[in-house]
Amino acid sequence: AQKVTQAQTEISVVEKEDVTLDCVYETRDTTYYLFWYKQPPSGELVFLIRRNSFDEQNEISGRYSWNFQKSTSSFNFTITASQVVDSAVYFCALSEPYNQGGKLIFGQGTELSVKP
Amino acid sequence: DTAVSQTPKYLVTQMGNDKSIKCEQNLGHDTMYWYKQDSKKFLKIMFSYNNKELIINETVPNRFSPKSPDKAHLNLHINSLELGDSAVYFCASSLEGTGRGNTIYFGEGSWLTVV
Repeated sequence: AQKVTQAQTEISVVEKEDVTLDCVYETRDTTYYLFWYKQPPSGELVFLIRRNSFDEQNEISGRYSWNFQKSTSSFNFTITASQVVDSAVYFCALSEPYNQGGKLIFGQGTELSVKP
Repeated sequence: DTAVSQTPKYLVTQMGNDKSIKCEQNLGHDTMYWYKQDSKKFLKIMFSYNNKELIINETVPNRFSPKSPDKAHLNLHINSLELGDSAVYFCASSLEGTGRGNTIYFGEGSWLTVV
């Protein structure tokens, strides 16, 4: 069965520090998709990135970057020069195969607090 | 324009009542979902529909009944509300299931408090 583990429950950093949020997943499928979502204090879930299992290139979007490593089943998320507005709960998620319903399986979330 | 909208955003009700949460998406997606987020922030799927057809029905009490009048709408009706039903309920949609790489887009959530 698929599983996503975000071992860091809470992280607290000071503004301008870099921070990495860990995500480890388990799946027996060869084709799968990984996602990151952000949930700010206002409560909505905001899509950040989708990565398929065949694309191990790292991705960078502004201060955000993602490191996907199939060898260690990890899809880690780094925020460079963190800002107070980055304070949120971040969720990593794994897609279930289409023929099993195709739902997203979420990790427990990591609550990031960026202090000024 | 809001892509996935759900109403009401906040709902406080007494135990034993029946309540509904409505959801609509204007993205032209075929698949819609209901997710529940508990007090520990854990997100778990409840139901998914594809083109009005029920695809996923997780282990959810049968007091919860989804209804999809068309592929743009997926409503959630809850009978005989219990204290443990207090949670945030998220509606979401995707082009097809995420197993084909489609992104799920979430509504803003409905905060249900049962007193």
